[in-house]
Amino acid sequence: SQKIEQNSEALNIQEGKTATLTCNYTNYSPAYLQWYRQDPGRGPVFLLLIRENEKEKRKERLKVTFDTTLKQSLFHITASQPADSATYLCALPQTGANNLFFGTGTRLTVIP
Amino acid sequence: NAGVMQNPRHLVRRRGQEARLRCSPMKGHSHVYWYRQLPEEGLKFMVYLQKENIIDESGMPKERFSAEFPKEGPSILRIQQVVRGDSAAYFCASSPRISKGEETQYFGPGTRLLVL
Repeated sequence: SQKIEQNSEALNIQEGKTATLTCNYTNYSPAYLQWYRQDPGRGPVFLLLIRENEKEKRKERLKVTFDTTLKQSLFHITASQPADSATYLCALPQTGANNLFFGTGTRLTVIP
Repeated sequence: NAGVMQNPRHLVRRRGQEARLRCSPMKGHSHVYWYRQLPEEGLKFMVYLQKENIIDESGMPKERFSAEFPKEGPSILRIQQVVRGDSAAYFCASSPRISKGEETQYFGPGTRLLVL
C-alpha cells in the first residue's frame, strides 16, 4: 500500500540557517507532489507543487526537489526566520483518485 | 475572493448526538473534499464531492457518517450518534477542477469537534 514518511516529527534550527525537510514515499509513482504549511489551530496552506518531470522548484526562500528514482522530495527554507515555525506537510495525489494523501508532517521550530 | 469557510469552528456534542459540519468552498470551486485530523495524526481523506454528487467516499466510515453537496448551499458532513472517537479536527478543502494545473486544494480553518 502507499506510504509517505516525513523524516522527523520535529526539527529545531537556528535563525538564519537553512531548514531541510524530507518526504519519502513507497509503492507509488505520483504525477506531482505538494507541500503545505499548517499552523496550530489552522488549516493547511498550500506552498508549492512540483511535477514528476521537474527536478527543482523555487518560490522566494523556499526550494523543493523531486527525485522520482529515490522516491523522495526535499523541502528547503533558506535564511530561516522564527515566523517559519510551523508544521510542514508533504502530500501526494492518491492513486487513481483526486484526493490528497498526506504525510504526518514535520514540526519546524526556528530559534531566534 | 473569500477563502473556504467552515462553521462552526468549534462544536461540542455529547455521545449519541448528531454533529453537522458545514463548508462553503471558494467562489468558483465545484469540488469539495473532507479530511479528518486526529490528535497527533496526519490528515486523512474522507470524501470527495461535486455539486449534487458523491464522487469518492472511500475514506468515510460506513456507518454514522454521511456527506452532501447540494446544488445550492454549503457542503455538509453529518455524523450521527457521535462517539468519543469522533473527536477530531475536520477540514474541508476545495478546488476549481481537477485538470492539470488545477490540482491545488484550498483548505478551510477546520471544525474542531469535541465529544463529551
